[in-house]
Amino acid sequence: GQQVMQIPQYQHVQEGEDFTTYCNSSTTLSNIQWYKQRPGGHPVFLIQLVKSGEVKKQKRLTFQFGEAKKNSSLHITATQTTDVGTYFCAGRYNSGGYQKVTFGTGTKLQVIP
Amino acid sequence: NAGVTQTPKFQVLKTGQSMTLQCAQDMNHNSMYWYRQDPGMGLRLIYYSASEGTTDKGEVPNGYNVSRLNKREFSLRLESAAPSQTSVYFCASSESPGTSNQPQHFGDGTRLSIL
Repeated sequence: GQQVMQIPQYQHVQEGEDFTTYCNSSTTLSNIQWYKQRPGGHPVFLIQLVKSGEVKKQKRLTFQFGEAKKNSSLHITATQTTDVGTYFCAGRYNSGGYQKVTFGTGTKLQVIP
Repeated sequence: NAGVTQTPKFQVLKTGQSMTLQCAQDMNHNSMYWYRQDPGMGLRLIYYSASEGTTDKGEVPNGYNVSRLNKREFSLRLESAAPSQTSVYFCASSESPGTSNQPQHFGDGTRLSIL
């Protein structure tokens, strides 16, 4: 079945360092979404990427969608303690004529002050 | 604006007991979802409802049933709880899959422990 893998599973960084998480799909995606879940909280939508090679920025966060629409990345510049949480990608794809969504396994980010 | 409301927030059950997790959304969304979240496993889809009147199995449906009561409400039932069903359960809703921007809006979750 459809799989969406994320690496790394965990990442500890010093405050001010950069952070990147990668998302890889076994099949071509219609679009990809990114979510952030704070400790003890629920996933919150960050952004959606649709076009091949698309790049979007939100302040210190940069999101990319691969040319083949099978991978994506989230890069955070100069991390802050408020960036702590788990980041999930969610890939949307066609299956038997239906649109389905699969979440990645998530990357848990810890920022050391 | 409440968004997605889940009840209860916490529950402890004994093996073999049954219970229903409730979910309601006030955003007039067509699609609703039930996920479970276990450490290191991410979010796994249990069941979803693309629109009122339809439900479909997700990745891990065994041991669960769902009811799309109306457009607002989507409940998840455990008929005979097992310790393997100890998890955090999230309900989510979104616009119809055919629309261009379909972020999922999540509830606060139900933390369920089965002894």
